[in-house]
Amino acid sequence: GEDVEQSLFLSVREGDSSVINCTYTDSSSTYLYWYKQEPGAGLQLLTYIFSNMDMKQDQRLTVLLNKKDKHLSLRIADTQTGDSAIYFCAETPKGGYNKLIFGAGTRLAVHP
Amino acid sequence: DAGVTQSPTHLIKTRGQHVTLRCSPISGHKSVSWYQQVLGQGPQFIFQYYEKEERGRGNFPDRFSARQFPNYSSELNVNALLLGDSALYLCASSHRTSGRGNEQFFGPGTRLTVL
Repeated sequence: GEDVEQSLFLSVREGDSSVINCTYTDSSSTYLYWYKQEPGAGLQLLTYIFSNMDMKQDQRLTVLLNKKDKHLSLRIADTQTGDSAIYFCAETPKGGYNKLIFGAGTRLAVHP
Repeated sequence: DAGVTQSPTHLIKTRGQHVTLRCSPISGHKSVSWYQQVLGQGPQFIFQYYEKEERGRGNFPDRFSARQFPNYSSELNVNALLLGDSALYLCASSHRTSGRGNEQFFGPGTRLTVL
């Protein structure tokens, strides 16, 4: 089946690291994505990882993939107030077209 | 380069009416996908079009239809609107349909309210 789950809320202090977790069910997923959505806006692609990778780093963002446990995480180093948003994990099931399956999103709140 | 554009930004309709939403992809992108995002939830896949052909359809009723034009822009049509169709409708474009280069870039969305 196709299902993506995320915790709904995360609160961190400015300057700390944030870790947002996601689990997915489709083991055939080829790509896994992280998107950011600010209030009233569309989705911004942050980063993605191919299913044969364990880790990907992109500036302050680190993505870890545990394919055995179907667990994906996004670590944001030195979290800033501008990082406050909803973060969506998404998978692309193997099937030859661009259907993205999204989680419900994790709301990240950054406080001073 | 301009990103994905959508029009209108906001729309208010009444039950039973129909609506047409428009999307222009990033220049050079041939694939357009549509998603529905109900408040408090993640986006749900509606359609994907590539080279003017439907390549994927989500679990939505036949009241929802779409098409893609020769310039790769797209329209989403919804007939016989229901209150539950109130949502943010997102369009995404990508260069390909799979493999490297299929990252999807989203537009700002059209907020549809059905009264």
